[in-house]
Amino acid sequence: TQLLEQSPQFLSIQEGENLTVYCNSSSVFSSLQWYRQEPGEGPVLLVTVVTGGEVKKLKRLTFQFGDARKDSSLHITAAQPGDTGLYLCAGARGSNYKLTFGKGTLLTVNP
Amino acid sequence: DTAVSQTPKYLVTQMGNDKSIKCEQNLGHDTMYWYKQDSKKFLKIMFSYNNKELIINETVPNRFSPKSPDKAHLNLHINSLELGDSAVYFCASSQGTSSLNEQFFGPGTRLTVL
Repeated sequence: TQLLEQSPQFLSIQEGENLTVYCNSSSVFSSLQWYRQEPGEGPVLLVTVVTGGEVKKLKRLTFQFGDARKDSSLHITAAQPGDTGLYLCAGARGSNYKLTFGKGTLLTVNP
Repeated sequence: DTAVSQTPKYLVTQMGNDKSIKCEQNLGHDTMYWYKQDSKKFLKIMFSYNNKELIINETVPNRFSPKSPDKAHLNLHINSLELGDSAVYFCASSQGTSSLNEQFFGPGTRLTVL
Protein backbone atom coordinates (compact mmCIF):
# COMPACT_ATOMS: atom_id res chain seq x y z
CA THR A 1 0.00 0.00 0.00
CA GLN A 2 1.41 3.35 -1.10
CA LEU A 3 1.33 5.81 1.79
CA LEU A 4 1.49 8.90 -0.42
CA GLU A 5 -0.42 8.97 -3.69
CA GLN A 6 0.56 11.56 -6.25
CA SER A 7 -1.58 12.61 -9.20
CA PRO A 8 -1.44 12.91 -12.03
CA GLN A 9 1.40 10.53 -12.72
CA PHE A 10 2.23 12.27 -16.01
CA LEU A 11 1.41 15.80 -17.17
CA SER A 12 2.33 17.40 -20.48
CA ILE A 13 1.35 21.03 -21.03
CA GLN A 14 2.22 24.05 -23.12
CA GLU A 15 4.34 26.93 -21.91
CA GLY A 16 2.21 29.55 -20.18
CA GLU A 17 -0.43 27.16 -18.85
CA ASN A 18 -1.23 26.69 -15.17
CA LEU A 19 -1.22 23.32 -13.45
CA THR A 20 -1.79 21.65 -10.12
CA VAL A 21 -0.36 18.38 -8.85
CA TYR A 22 -1.61 16.58 -5.80
CA CYS A 23 -0.19 14.50 -2.99
CA ASN A 24 -2.76 12.59 -0.95
CA SER A 25 -2.74 10.19 1.96
CA SER A 26 -5.07 8.65 4.51
CA SER A 27 -2.38 9.25 7.13
CA VAL A 28 -1.48 12.40 9.02
CA PHE A 29 1.98 13.81 8.45
CA SER A 30 3.91 16.05 10.82
CA SER A 31 5.64 17.66 7.86
CA LEU A 32 5.66 17.38 4.13
CA GLN A 33 8.28 18.32 1.59
CA TRP A 34 8.23 18.84 -2.17
CA TYR A 35 11.26 18.02 -4.29
CA ARG A 36 12.01 18.47 -8.00
CA GLN A 37 14.23 15.98 -9.78
CA GLU A 38 15.71 16.62 -13.22
CA PRO A 39 16.94 13.80 -15.47
CA GLY A 40 20.26 12.37 -14.36
CA GLU A 41 20.27 14.29 -11.10
CA GLY A 42 19.15 13.87 -7.54
CA PRO A 43 16.02 15.48 -6.07
CA VAL A 44 16.30 19.08 -4.89
CA LEU A 45 14.15 20.42 -2.06
CA LEU A 46 11.62 23.10 -3.03
CA VAL A 47 9.68 23.60 0.19
CA THR A 48 8.78 22.15 3.60
CA VAL A 49 5.30 22.65 5.09
CA VAL A 50 4.48 21.80 8.68
CA THR A 51 1.24 23.55 9.69
CA GLY A 52 -2.23 22.43 8.55
CA GLY A 53 -3.61 24.94 6.04
CA GLU A 54 -0.18 26.45 5.46
CA VAL A 55 0.45 28.10 2.09
CA LYS A 56 3.94 28.85 0.83
CA LYS A 57 4.93 30.61 -2.36
CA LEU A 58 8.15 30.25 -4.27
CA LYS A 59 8.01 32.59 -7.28
CA ARG A 60 5.42 30.96 -9.61
CA LEU A 61 5.01 27.91 -7.37
CA THR A 62 2.38 27.78 -4.63
CA PHE A 63 2.38 24.96 -2.10
CA GLN A 64 -0.49 24.16 0.23
CA PHE A 65 -0.69 21.74 3.15
CA GLY A 66 -4.17 20.42 3.85
CA ASP A 67 -5.95 21.45 7.05
CA ALA A 68 -5.82 17.87 8.34
CA ARG A 69 -2.17 17.47 7.24
CA LYS A 70 -3.08 14.48 5.08
CA ASP A 71 -2.63 16.08 1.68
CA SER A 72 -0.78 18.76 -0.20
CA SER A 73 -0.87 20.47 -3.56
CA LEU A 74 1.59 22.25 -5.78
CA HIS A 75 0.29 24.87 -8.19
CA ILE A 76 2.46 26.32 -10.94
CA THR A 77 1.41 29.51 -12.68
CA ALA A 78 2.48 30.24 -16.24
CA ALA A 79 4.62 27.13 -16.56
CA GLN A 80 7.93 27.39 -18.34
CA PRO A 81 10.09 24.70 -20.01
CA GLY A 82 12.51 25.04 -17.10
CA ASP A 83 9.79 23.67 -14.81
CA THR A 84 10.06 20.31 -16.55
CA GLY A 85 10.98 17.56 -14.14
CA LEU A 86 9.77 14.93 -11.70
CA TYR A 87 7.96 16.44 -8.72
CA LEU A 88 8.09 14.33 -5.58
CA CYS A 89 6.28 14.82 -2.32
CA ALA A 90 7.73 13.30 0.84
CA GLY A 91 6.21 13.13 4.29
CA ALA A 92 7.35 12.40 7.82
CA ARG A 93 5.01 10.97 10.44
CA GLY A 94 5.10 11.89 14.12
CA SER A 95 8.57 11.95 15.59
CA ASN A 96 9.83 9.59 12.89
CA TYR A 97 12.42 11.42 10.86
CA LYS A 98 12.23 8.93 8.01
CA LEU A 99 10.84 10.44 4.81
CA THR A 100 8.29 8.49 2.78
CA PHE A 101 8.18 9.52 -0.86
CA GLY A 102 5.30 9.49 -3.29
CA LYS A 103 5.82 8.05 -6.76
CA GLY A 104 6.05 11.47 -8.33
CA THR A 105 4.45 13.52 -11.09
CA LEU A 106 6.48 13.76 -14.29
CA LEU A 107 5.85 17.22 -15.73
CA THR A 108 6.78 18.21 -19.27
CA VAL A 109 6.35 21.83 -20.32
CA ASN A 110 6.55 22.23 -24.08
CA PRO A 111 7.80 25.50 -25.60
CA ASP B 1 32.77 22.29 -4.84
CA THR B 2 30.24 19.47 -5.23
CA ALA B 3 28.16 19.07 -2.07
CA VAL B 4 27.30 15.36 -2.27
CA SER B 5 29.26 13.22 -4.69
CA GLN B 6 28.91 9.58 -5.64
CA THR B 7 31.13 7.19 -7.54
CA PRO B 8 30.72 5.63 -9.93
CA LYS B 9 27.99 7.42 -11.91
CA TYR B 10 27.24 4.26 -13.89
CA LEU B 11 27.88 0.64 -12.94
CA VAL B 12 27.18 -2.31 -15.22
CA THR B 13 27.91 -5.75 -13.86
CA GLN B 14 26.97 -9.39 -14.05
CA MET B 15 24.66 -11.26 -11.71
CA GLY B 16 26.47 -12.73 -8.75
CA ASN B 17 29.19 -10.10 -8.61
CA ASP B 18 29.99 -7.92 -5.59
CA LYS B 19 30.20 -4.16 -6.05
CA SER B 20 30.56 -1.00 -3.99
CA ILE B 21 29.24 2.53 -4.39
CA LYS B 22 30.94 5.40 -2.60
CA CYS B 23 29.46 8.64 -1.29
CA GLU B 24 31.12 11.73 0.13
CA GLN B 25 29.65 15.01 1.36
CA ASN B 26 31.56 18.21 2.07
CA LEU B 27 28.67 20.02 3.77
CA GLY B 28 29.73 19.16 7.30
CA HIS B 29 26.50 17.23 7.84
CA ASP B 30 26.24 14.49 10.44
CA THR B 31 23.49 12.41 8.84
CA MET B 32 23.73 10.47 5.60
CA TYR B 33 21.30 8.25 3.70
CA TRP B 34 21.07 5.70 0.93
CA TYR B 35 17.96 5.62 -1.24
CA LYS B 36 16.95 3.31 -4.08
CA GLN B 37 14.94 4.66 -7.03
CA ASP B 38 13.38 1.98 -9.20
CA SER B 39 12.48 2.10 -12.88
CA LYS B 40 9.13 3.70 -12.03
CA LYS B 41 10.92 6.53 -10.19
CA PHE B 42 9.79 5.36 -6.76
CA LEU B 43 12.34 6.58 -4.23
CA LYS B 44 12.66 4.51 -1.08
CA ILE B 45 15.01 4.88 1.85
CA MET B 46 17.35 2.00 2.58
CA PHE B 47 19.70 3.16 5.34
CA SER B 48 20.57 6.19 7.39
CA TYR B 49 23.61 6.96 9.53
CA ASN B 50 23.96 9.68 12.15
CA ASN B 51 27.48 10.38 13.38
CA LYS B 52 28.62 7.05 11.89
CA GLU B 53 25.88 5.15 13.73
CA LEU B 54 23.18 3.24 11.86
CA ILE B 55 19.76 4.72 12.71
CA ILE B 56 17.52 3.57 9.87
CA ASN B 57 17.69 0.09 8.42
CA GLU B 58 14.71 -0.64 6.22
CA THR B 59 13.70 -4.08 5.02
CA VAL B 60 16.67 -4.52 2.75
CA PRO B 61 18.33 -7.87 1.91
CA ASN B 62 21.41 -8.43 4.00
CA ARG B 63 23.38 -8.59 0.76
CA PHE B 64 23.40 -4.79 1.14
CA SER B 65 25.86 -3.54 3.74
CA PRO B 66 26.46 0.15 4.38
CA LYS B 67 29.65 1.41 5.97
CA SER B 68 30.42 4.84 7.34
CA PRO B 69 34.14 5.27 8.01
CA ASP B 70 33.57 8.88 9.09
CA LYS B 71 30.78 11.47 9.08
CA ALA B 72 31.61 12.63 5.57
CA HIS B 73 31.47 9.22 3.91
CA LEU B 74 28.85 6.52 3.51
CA ASN B 75 29.58 3.59 1.24
CA LEU B 76 27.26 0.83 0.08
CA HIS B 77 28.52 -2.66 -0.63
CA ILE B 78 26.31 -5.14 -2.43
CA ASN B 79 27.07 -8.86 -2.49
CA SER B 80 25.80 -11.44 -4.97
CA LEU B 81 24.06 -8.91 -7.21
CA GLU B 82 20.66 -9.85 -8.61
CA LEU B 83 18.70 -8.56 -11.60
CA GLY B 84 16.25 -6.85 -9.25
CA ASP B 85 19.03 -4.73 -7.80
CA SER B 86 19.12 -2.71 -11.03
CA ALA B 87 18.11 0.82 -10.07
CA VAL B 88 19.49 4.27 -9.40
CA TYR B 89 21.00 4.57 -5.94
CA PHE B 90 21.08 8.01 -4.34
CA CYS B 91 23.15 9.14 -1.42
CA ALA B 92 21.91 12.11 0.60
CA SER B 93 22.96 14.07 3.65
CA SER B 94 21.36 16.45 6.14
CA GLN B 95 22.31 18.37 9.25
CA GLY B 96 20.71 16.39 12.02
CA THR B 97 17.96 13.80 11.86
CA SER B 98 14.91 16.07 11.96
CA SER B 99 12.52 15.50 9.07
CA LEU B 100 12.36 19.28 8.75
CA ASN B 101 15.98 19.42 7.70
CA GLU B 102 16.74 19.63 4.01
CA GLN B 103 18.25 16.52 2.53
CA PHE B 104 20.88 17.15 -0.13
CA PHE B 105 21.05 14.42 -2.73
CA GLY B 106 23.96 13.24 -4.81
CA PRO B 107 23.67 12.76 -8.59
CA GLY B 108 22.93 9.05 -8.26
CA THR B 109 24.61 5.83 -9.35
CA ARG B 110 22.80 3.91 -12.07
CA LEU B 111 23.37 0.22 -11.41
CA THR B 112 22.57 -2.26 -14.16
CA VAL B 113 22.80 -5.96 -13.39
CA LEU B 114 22.93 -8.22 -16.45
